[in-house]
Order: sequence, then structure tokens, then C-alpha cells
Amino acid sequence: KAGVTQTPRYLIKTRGQQVTLSCSPISGHRSVSWYQQTPGQGLQFLFEYFSETQRNKGNFPGRFSGRQFSNSRSEMNVSTLELGDSALYLCASSAGRTTEAFFGQGTRLTVV
Amino acid sequence: ELKVEQNPLFLSMQEGKNYTIYCNYSTTSDRLYWYRQDPGKSLESLFVLLSNGAVKQEGRLMASLDTKARLSTLHITAAVHDLSATYFCAVDNTNNAGNMLTFGGGTRLMVKP
Repeated sequence: KAGVTQTPRYLIKTRGQQVTLSCSPISGHRSVSWYQQTPGQGLQFLFEYFSETQRNKGNFPGRFSGRQFSNSRSEMNVSTLELGDSALYLCASSAGRTTEAFFGQGTRLTVV
Repeated sequence: ELKVEQNPLFLSMQEGKNYTIYCNYSTTSDRLYWYRQDPGKSLESLFVLLSNGAVKQEGRLMASLDTKARLSTLHITAAVHDLSATYFCAVDNTNNAGNMLTFGGGTRLMVKP
């Protein structure tokens, strides 16, 4: 059974640019969540999508957005990149409320 | 606002010793998770705890949940070097059917031979 797949694994972007990250969940999982991990702030929830609808949202500025497609694949977009956006971005998929979230390998974004 | 606190943040222990990591959270929740993260890697699910008094064990790790005290523990028995990693607890208190984890700051465990 394939796990959660995130692409790309590594990205280097310049301040002011925008970036799109992709996440393919485990087959059959309809919930996809995104997290940002930094040494200073730890793991922080960005947003969750379920059946193409944003179901929960964390405390991040509007530069961070996402979407989910009908096949449950999800993308997140960060516009007008700032140095502080450098982080490991993790995607997680879940089958339901009482099961664990399975995490992908992450996309390491470096903003220079 | 839900807050999750872990202690200790760093733990250096000898092989063969026992120790406990604590996870306190600030608001009512019926779902608590433990994850492991190796350096440069993603999060690996260890345990899902869904009810008061829940206890789960896998190898040298045992996790428990006390929802009344808002406390979970991860107990390590006879530690071995392979357990060296960072351990996170995470709590989900969404009232809807969603998934939104609030993570503790992590406990970096180093097991020395």
C-alpha cells in the first residue's frame, strides 16, 4: 500500500516568489492536512481539506493557501515568499476521525 | 486555545534504563497521538489513544492517557540506542469530524551505550 507522497522533496526559492507543493494521500483517504515545521516554532497546523473543502484552518497569513482535487490530491501554495517561510512542510492523510494521520516525507523549502 | 506541553525537552539516558516522557494539554480532548521523528525524516505514528485510561504498548514503548488529568505519558523500558529520536505528542480537539493536530514541542531522546 503506497504511503503519502509529497513532491518535490526539496525546493530553493527567492524572496518574493511563489511556490506550490503537492501531496498525494494514501488511497481511500479523503482528509489531507498540512503542517509547517521549523526549529523555532515547531510543528504548526496550516489547514485541512476534506472532499475538496477546507474543513479547518490554522493561524497563518493569507499568503498560505491550499486546495484539494476530486481525487483527494492536495496542493498548497505560498505567495510572496519570506525568509521565515523556510521550513519542512509536511502533509498528512487520514481515513477518519479516530485514526492516526500518516505523514509524507515532507518538502524542505529554503527561501533565499 | 489548546496548548500542549511536553517534558523533558531533552533526555539523555543510558541503555537499559527506564524513563517517562510527559505530555500535558490544556483543554478537553479525546484523541491523543504519539509520533517519532528521526533527524531529517518525517513523522512515524506510534500510538493513538482515544479514551480515558487507554494504554498501548509496542516493544519497549508504552503510552497511556488520563483525560481527567489531561496527561499522557510515554514510558520507555530498558532503552536501546535505536530508540534515539525526537518524540512528539499531539492532541486533536476539533469538535467536528476534522483532523487538526496541536503538537507538543517534542522530546529529543538520546540513548547512550
